[in-house]
Amino acid sequence: DAKTTQPPSMDCAEGRAANLPCNHSTISGNEYVYWYRQIHSQGPQYIIHGLKNNETNEMASLIITEDRKSSTLILPHATLRDTAVYYCIVSWSYNTNAGKSTFGDGTTLTVKP
Amino acid sequence: KAGVTQTPRYLIKTRGQQVTLSCSPISGHRSVSWYQQTPGQGLQFLFEYFSETQRNKGNFPGRFSGRQFSNSRSEMNVSTLELGDSALYLCASTALSTGELFFGEGSRLTVL
Repeated sequence: DAKTTQPPSMDCAEGRAANLPCNHSTISGNEYVYWYRQIHSQGPQYIIHGLKNNETNEMASLIITEDRKSSTLILPHATLRDTAVYYCIVSWSYNTNAGKSTFGDGTTLTVKP
Repeated sequence: KAGVTQTPRYLIKTRGQQVTLSCSPISGHRSVSWYQQTPGQGLQFLFEYFSETQRNKGNFPGRFSGRQFSNSRSEMNVSTLELGDSALYLCASTALSTGELFFGEGSRLTVL
């Protein structure tokens, strides 16, 4: 699996957009980008994933660069409850290796009032 | 539908003992994977089971083992416990149509 690089920490003001970057320069053509977050030692929670097109759901938007070497998770209106560790991983989908994912250290996002 | 259930949630063991942790995946999910999370090492992949077969394994010693039953429930076992095995053990089941991992709340093991 491709490795990812994320900044260790970021701050964001409540109500503002939080933009979390991720570098995955060794991603292969069939690997998807997944984002999860973990709130205070609970199990990680899925946020969003994508292959090469930008994606949006009720939680967030995912912007993937054209060369797919990096991506940005956008939380449009961050709240205090969005304070968490955010993990960007690359993984195969639709195949037998989906359960084996390499989580890096993630980005600790702190949303401040 | 019910999420991933892990038991027990908390347990305390002493060095040299063994421990068995249980994971019930989301109904219909046949892939179950296990992760160890410690403050120093982050989230590390232990192993994955699919239809009762281990098909991926992380870089952990043989003291760590697992199995999966025909109903997709999985157990992991750690023998000869060491202090460094103190961690949060997370189980995830996979929606194979999307690759999305659904995590349980974890089993927090403390080794004294």
